[in-house]
Amino acid sequence: RKEVEQDPGPFNVPEGATVAFNCTYSNSASQSFFWYRQDCRKEPKLLMSVYSSGNEDGRFTAQLNRASQYISLLIRDSKLSDSATYLCVVPNSGGSNYKLTFGKGTLLTVNP
Amino acid sequence: DGGITQSPKYLFRKEGQNVTLSCEQNLNHDAMYWYRQDPGQGLRLIYYSQIVNDFQKGDIAEGYSVSREKKESFPLTVTSAQKNPTAFYLCASSNIMLTGVNQPQHFGDGTRLSIL
Repeated sequence: RKEVEQDPGPFNVPEGATVAFNCTYSNSASQSFFWYRQDCRKEPKLLMSVYSSGNEDGRFTAQLNRASQYISLLIRDSKLSDSATYLCVVPNSGGSNYKLTFGKGTLLTVNP
Repeated sequence: DGGITQSPKYLFRKEGQNVTLSCEQNLNHDAMYWYRQDPGQGLRLIYYSQIVNDFQKGDIAEGYSVSREKKESFPLTVTSAQKNPTAFYLCASSNIMLTGVNQPQHFGDGTRLSIL
């Protein structure tokens, strides 16, 4: 299994839809996970941190399944402004407690 | 405002030339990182540093060099040995927790490097 793997998409959804992205990881010892959002030609920005079973922030919910080693991001009531690439990020398996490994991202386009 | 500042925003390199990308942070973070992103690709780690005067190679360090003389600063030099330097370069920083739990990284707004 790759260190982190995401469905590359693209996902095209209408405004108001609910969309979910999944991400699998290989390092079973990982304790923290992150979802970042990256707009076209911009830097990644932290969307959510996940340290236990999940996290919720408004329309965004992240869930962690340690047994199956996957993380999901659910976006409810999609807005046009949610169009971006979403990066799943996990701790690097090299043993340090500060290096992260970034997934290649899932492209989301929300259509009017 | 606290944050990470990268400069310049755009940079052009001539053949055989070394160029240096600046990265400064005022977040008091211990760790700093340099990534390269090619169009449609993920982030690849070039170099990282946990503490002043110490740094380690990432996955694609060949043709690059760094220094960490101050906690706030982590400049990246793209040398003439890097034959395909055209990319989006991102600097990041993060805290290091004694608990061992990874912390999120915070990014500067990047430098776009192109070959003339």
